Amino acid sequence: AQRVTQPEKLLSVFKGAPVELKCNYSYSGSPELFWYVQYSRQRLQLLLRHISRESIKGFTADLNKGETSFHLKKPFAQEEDSAMYYCALSGRNYGQNFVFGPGTRLSVLP
Amino acid sequence: DAGVTQSPTHLIKTRGQQVTLRCSPKSGHDTVSWYQQALGQGPQFIFQYYEEEERQRGNFPDRFSGHQFPNYSSELNVNALLLGDSALYLCASSAASRAEKLFFGSGTQLSVL
Repeated sequence: AQRVTQPEKLLSVFKGAPVELKCNYSYSGSPELFWYVQYSRQRLQLLLRHISRESIKGFTADLNKGETSFHLKKPFAQEEDSAMYYCALSGRNYGQNFVFGPGTRLSVLP
Repeated sequence: DAGVTQSPTHLIKTRGQQVTLRCSPKSGHDTVSWYQQALGQGPQFIFQYYEEEERQRGNFPDRFSGHQFPNYSSELNVNALLLGDSALYLCASSAASRAEKLFFGSGTQLSVL
């Protein structure tokens, strides 16, 4: 069965500290992995996807198929990074539905 | 472009009633997906519509049904409401050619009393 887990409900770090939001998944096949973010009073939006291998707002995420993980990292957290972060997966056929994790609330303290 | 718009923003119903939620996709998008987000949880996939047909369905009972119109807008209908149906209902649109990028609406908060 497809499943996404995010072990931390809340993660608090100080400004300038490194941050890592954990995501593990189970999927039979080759999934596409994504991170979606929801800032305060804004809509849920795509942050990045593994296939693009891009860095968005200083965040990166590497797909580790051996550990079935897709952790989100940023070397120096900023206060504006405070938001709700959801890890999600989809099948290779993009018509397939997305499975979202429960989310991690990141709080960056001044 | 207003992006994905959903109506109404809030709705209060009683058990056993029926409800219809509406969604207009982002301009240029032809695929609409519906998600249910319970408090403290991530969005859960209900179903997806493309070319006016239900293309995929999540693990939701038949009480949840939908429709897509020729202009790509969509409706979500829930019959025989249960207390457990109380949640934020999110609509997401995408282009078939870029189905991996979902654009979400602000959601409809449904409360069932």
